[in-house]
Amino acid sequence: GAGVSQSPSNKVTEKGKDVELRCDPISGHTALYWYRQSLGQGLEFLIYFQGNSAPDKSGLPSDRFSAERTGGSVSTLTIQRTQQEDSAVYLCASSSDRAEDTQYFGPGTRLTVL
Amino acid sequence: GENVEQHPSTLSVQEGDSAVIKCTYSDSASNYFPWYKQELGKGPQLIIDIRSNVGEKKDQRIAVTLNKTAKHFSLHITETQPEDSAVYFCAASKRANNLFFGTGTRLTVIP
Repeated sequence: GAGVSQSPSNKVTEKGKDVELRCDPISGHTALYWYRQSLGQGLEFLIYFQGNSAPDKSGLPSDRFSAERTGGSVSTLTIQRTQQEDSAVYLCASSSDRAEDTQYFGPGTRLTVL
Repeated sequence: GENVEQHPSTLSVQEGDSAVIKCTYSDSASNYFPWYKQELGKGPQLIIDIRSNVGEKKDQRIAVTLNKTAKHFSLHITETQPEDSAVYFCAASKRANNLFFGTGTRLTVIP
């Protein structure tokens, strides 16, 4: 079956521009996560959506970062006024609503801010 | 919050040898410990996980051990093959929905 998909796969932007990254979770998965992976680093949690509950935004590094999830499915991560330090791979994952279920990752979006 | 440390950061082994990657965690309430494999240009893929009610779990050439008293868990890959070359991440959580990841181990299997 279809896994988690993300678009675009690569994004190059200029410093100061806004970018939007898209995630399509596995059909039926109610939980959706965004992570950031900088070069040679582990995965840094950004934000978590679970059903209709208020999202857990505790990992967002600044107010330039925001995310929304429309209709309980597709999610968009927006970075405003991008900075060079925002360059990283942004990964999305989804899981079912069972507390013990596994997170399945998409291929990521590689963001480069010039 | 949880703090997960992972060692080594890089590991090279000869094909056919075993590889061991170790992780420690700080929150004694953590009870779910997955391992992910990330190949170049791809997202992490779950390869094995263990929950705190067991000490060891094995799946073919891959095994994970958990020591809750010492708060550490390890990934063991036996009979390594070139296709095992990748970056491996450990993670810990009190529940699967909130994972804290280690910094990764780059494994290279030399043919």
